[in-house]
Amino acid sequence: GENVEQHPSTLSVQEGDSAVIKCTYSDSASNYFPWYKQELGKGPQLIIDIRSNVGEKKDQRIAVTLNKTAKHFSLHITETQPEDSAVYFCAAQGDTGRRALTFGSGTRLQVQP
Amino acid sequence: GAGVSQSPSNKVTEKGKDVELRCDPISGHTALYWYRQSLGQGLEFLIYFQGNSAPDKSGLPSDRFSAERTGGSVSTLTIQRTQQEDSAVYLCASTKGAGKNSPLHFGNGTRLTVT
Repeated sequence: GENVEQHPSTLSVQEGDSAVIKCTYSDSASNYFPWYKQELGKGPQLIIDIRSNVGEKKDQRIAVTLNKTAKHFSLHITETQPEDSAVYFCAAQGDTGRRALTFGSGTRLQVQP
Repeated sequence: GAGVSQSPSNKVTEKGKDVELRCDPISGHTALYWYRQSLGQGLEFLIYFQGNSAPDKSGLPSDRFSAERTGGSVSTLTIQRTQQEDSAVYLCASTKGAGKNSPLHFGNGTRLTVT
C-alpha cells in the first residue's frame, strides 16, 4: 500500500519568514495530493490540493509543488503569520484500490511573532 | 451549512467497556471515513463507506472494532472491550464524491480515554 513520509516533524520560523514542509510517497499510481491544517482541538481542514497533471499550484501565500518522477511534493508558506501556527498534514491518494487518503505523520509549525 | 458533527466530543471509559462513537456527515455527502489519531501522530485510516457498496474495513486494527452506516447517513463506530491503547482521537470525515480525489471534510473528533 501507499506510504507517505513527512519532514520535518517540527518547524519554528520567525513571523514573515517562509516555511517549507516536504513529503514523499511510495505508490507511483497516486495522483491526488492534498494538504490539511489542524488547529488544536479541531479536525483537519483542507488548505490546498494538487493533482498529478499539475506541477505547481498557488493560493495567495500558500503553494504546493509536485515532482512525480521523484515522488515528492512540498508545501510552501510565504510571509508566515502567527495564525499559521498549527499542525500540517500531507496526504496521497491513488486512483484505484483503497479510496482512503494516506496521511503523513504531520509537521507542527510554530510562527514566532 | 452544517459541517460534520461528531458526538460525544469527549469520552472516558474503563478498560473492558464498550463504547459507541457517532458521526453525522454533511447532508448529501455519499462517502464517509473514520480515522484514528493517536497523541502526536498522523491519521490512521480505519474504515470507509460509499453509498450502498460494501465498506472498506481494511484499516480496522482488530475485530473489537466495527462500524455501521445506517440509511447512507449517520455512522456509528463501536469499540468492544476497550483497551488502553485504544485511547486516541477518532475523526470522521465525509465527501461529496465517491472519495476519489474529493476533499475530505472532517469533524472535530471524539477524544476517547480508556482508564
